[in-house]
Amino acid sequence: DGGITQSPKYLFRKEGQNVTLSCEQNLNHDAMYWYRQDPGQGLRLIYYSQIVNDFQKGDIAEGYSVSREKKESFPLTVTSAQKNPTAFYLCASSITGQGWEQPQHFGDGTRLSIL
Amino acid sequence: SQKIEQNSEALNIQEGKTATLTCNYTNYSPAYLQWYRQDPGRGPVFLLLIRENEKEKRKERLKVTFDTTLKQSLFHITASQPADSATYLCASTDSWGKLQFGAGTQVVVTP
Repeated sequence: DGGITQSPKYLFRKEGQNVTLSCEQNLNHDAMYWYRQDPGQGLRLIYYSQIVNDFQKGDIAEGYSVSREKKESFPLTVTSAQKNPTAFYLCASSITGQGWEQPQHFGDGTRLSIL
Repeated sequence: SQKIEQNSEALNIQEGKTATLTCNYTNYSPAYLQWYRQDPGRGPVFLLLIRENEKEKRKERLKVTFDTTLKQSLFHITASQPADSATYLCASTDSWGKLQFGAGTQVVVTP
């Protein structure tokens, strides 16, 4: 079955530590996205990539970094510069990056907490 | 600033009734709206897309309307079932072309 796999499902970060969230898709989609979801708030866009080897900052990119070396993979690193990392992180993909009207397919998220 | 807003209060409804959810947007005019369903601990799942020139869209027991005058979309679940219990998110593109999500409205359908 095609889909998006996020791992791990739960992650804990210590002070001063960088952590990396994995996102893999086998849908052959060009575009991939990272969102952060906090209670009572809408999803907020962290980074997005419309094509391999290219990515753009979203609305809340500070304290995060990404790479897009392969079409299937779009890992997100939460750096120690992100002072409030506790949230539910969602990865998504769409067929192309041309036109945001295309439905996005989401993974089942990674819940990150601070130790 | 551009906003997309949904009723934060949970909607409790009896099985068999119609649930109606509201999505309002301000300070911009999206060309389309999307609706997603999200279950606890899971990612959102796309349900429907409606364009500004479409007044209504249907999919099985779901119906979405788009009123550009009121700057509002309504999402209806007819003949609701306990399995419809979830949080429903609306989303639209902002002026910069990025997808903006509402915070979602939780629907609880009781037998």
